[in-house]
Amino acid sequence: QVQLVQSGAEVKKPGASVKVSCKASGYTFTSYYMHWVRQAPGQGLEWMGIINPSGGSTSYAQKFQGRVTMTRDTSTSTVYMELSSLRSEDTAVYYCARGQYCTNGVCYNNWFDPWGQGTLVTVSS
Amino acid sequence: SYVLTQPPSVSVAPGQTARITCGGNNIGSKSVHWYQQKPGQAPVLVVYDDSDRPSGIPERFSGSNSGNTATLTISRVEAGDEADYYCQVWDSSSDHYVFGTGTKVTVL
Repeated sequence: QVQLVQSGAEVKKPGASVKVSCKASGYTFTSYYMHWVRQAPGQGLEWMGIINPSGGSTSYAQKFQGRVTMTRDTSTSTVYMELSSLRSEDTAVYYCARGQYCTNGVCYNNWFDPWGQGTLVTVSS
Repeated sequence: SYVLTQPPSVSVAPGQTARITCGGNNIGSKSVHWYQQKPGQAPVLVVYDDSDRPSGIPERFSGSNSGNTATLTISRVEAGDEADYYCQVWDSSSDHYVFGTGTKVTVL
């Protein structure tokens, strides 16, 4: 079955960086884009960006431009999300979620399914 | 940027019907997807492309989309349907993905 397994919880100090991983299994890793979404405590879902595991191209939400980097390792079917210059407002659960399937330049299934279990990142001095 | 507005909360008695709205400018021209999130869990897709259900999602969950409002309808509500629900679209003008503000469904 399709599964996304994320790395464990992190505690970071303000100004530091955090790198969260998301290991995919049960499908062809390079055929589906991957999203990152975060959720601050008691708040809603916030889209951060997307990566194409096939070529590594990325697109980031304007809010995170310059602070977020998404990468992938096709040998281990793993995507990574690194967020730098952390501040207390970045305390949140970070999710990866499988996105659209693209073939021959056409994309399908433009939704998020499934999701990883989430990674809590706490930013505190 | 494109904004999706949902009511903060909806309350419904067991066995009744819950309707959750998602308002956006000309949202009827977009494909809307809906997610259910229970406390401490990751979101789960319950409706995609306005009205289709993934395998394993009960027929009690249905969706519609027209004009400036999309709606998720939960028929014959059960206690297990108590959760937060989010709508989501892709905004082609910004090439960004947008989530609604979320609605907490309480089963009385």
